[in-house]
Amino acid sequence: AQSVTQLDSQVPVFEEAPVELRCNYSSSVSVYLFWYVQYPNQGLQLLLKYLSGSTLVKGINGFEAEFNKSQTSFHLRKPSVHISDTAEYFCAVSDRGGGSEKLVFGKGTKLTVNP
Amino acid sequence: DAGVIQSPRHEVTEMGQEVTLRCKPISGHNSLFWYRQTMMRGLELLIYFNNNVPIDDSGMPEDRFSAKMPNASFSTLKIQPSEPRDSAVYFCASTPGRRTEAFFGQGTRLTVV
Repeated sequence: AQSVTQLDSQVPVFEEAPVELRCNYSSSVSVYLFWYVQYPNQGLQLLLKYLSGSTLVKGINGFEAEFNKSQTSFHLRKPSVHISDTAEYFCAVSDRGGGSEKLVFGKGTKLTVNP
Repeated sequence: DAGVIQSPRHEVTEMGQEVTLRCKPISGHNSLFWYRQTMMRGLELLIYFNNNVPIDDSGMPEDRFSAKMPNASFSTLKIQPSEPRDSAVYFCASTPGRRTEAFFGQGTRLTVV
């Protein structure tokens, strides 16, 4: 079974500072990896995804993530955050092979950007 | 496309009542997921369907919960009888295939008093 660990439940940062949100996964098979963002009272929106190819993935709103197979990590980064980036961020994993296609989520990281 | 549509957006009901949540997936998507979000447990997958067939319902909490997908454009999640601990936001999501992301609805906020 797959699982996702988001190591930080809350991350406060100042505007224009860099940020890294950490994600580690556990799986016995090859996986696809995703980062989603959830703004208050809304559903989840995709930020970026890793399916194959380059391990550095760029997404919307200036976010990027790097897939590290040896460390089973998929950390999310942004070099300079804005107030509008305040939201909850979820890392997710799904089976790449012929098994279940269900998407398993981490518990989320609340990013708060302060002026 | 209007995206995944869930109804109602908010539901307040009394303990013991039946609650039905509805979802219309994006046209052409062949997989549909129901998730529950709470502060304590985060996002939990309750059940998912592929081509209208339930594939994995291992996340359904107990027999009080049931889900159906009678056709490719409609799914329901029913709780009967409802309990206060069922209070949560319930999300429906759909996807056209394995190599793509899931698209989420706006959720239904359920409060059982």
